[in-house]
Amino acid sequence: QLQLQESGPGLVKPSETLSLTCTVSGGSINSSNYYWGWIRQPPGKGLEWIGSLFYTGSTYYNPSVKSRVTMSVDSSKSQFSLKLSSVTAADTAVYYCARQRTLFYFDNWGQGARVIVSS
Amino acid sequence: EIVLTHSPGTLSLSPGERATLSCRASQSVSSYLAWYQHKPGQAPRLLIYGASTRATGVPDRFTGSGSGTDFTLTISRLEPEDFAVYYCQQYGRSPRTFGGGTTVELK
Repeated sequence: QLQLQESGPGLVKPSETLSLTCTVSGGSINSSNYYWGWIRQPPGKGLEWIGSLFYTGSTYYNPSVKSRVTMSVDSSKSQFSLKLSSVTAADTAVYYCARQRTLFYFDNWGQGARVIVSS
Repeated sequence: EIVLTHSPGTLSLSPGERATLSCRASQSVSSYLAWYQHKPGQAPRLLIYGASTRATGVPDRFTGSGSGTDFTLTISRLEPEDFAVYYCQQYGRSPRTFGGGTTVELK
């Protein structure tokens, strides 16, 4: 049973960098059939795809955050990470990591990590 | 960017009733559409992909249909565990986008 678990600080100051890690268990992160993605949900709003990456390190970002986002993978730890720089209150959200079938749909999700941007 | 619009925003129904949820895309996404169920505090769950293919383990009371710009998720007979928020997501164009969701609530 594949499981994904987000981890990272729940509070980030404005203008700083949000950093989250997703740990994958019960399956391999080194799969040619899957990408690994980040999605967020601001309070009271819908879901927003942030970006996705392949185990080789190839990345695909949403243009809405492309200038501020970096994703990376550490296959030895079965982890992938999200960094979002210069955060503002608008980045307050629940952040989900998920497995993505070939850049298509997301078939396994983590429980989500709530991140608040506030001084 | 493709905008996905759900209707209605909220559906108030009783267990055993039929639920019909709509998702409309601002441009054609062919059949590249998925549906998710999301309950508070839980991970979203993939229900349907390819507009009409049920994901593994999804009961057959969930049916997806449509193509192009108009899609429907039908829950034939609501079970107590089906009360949740449902989102559609398109993967026909980049960036991938989600709709704002339909809440299926207990009447």
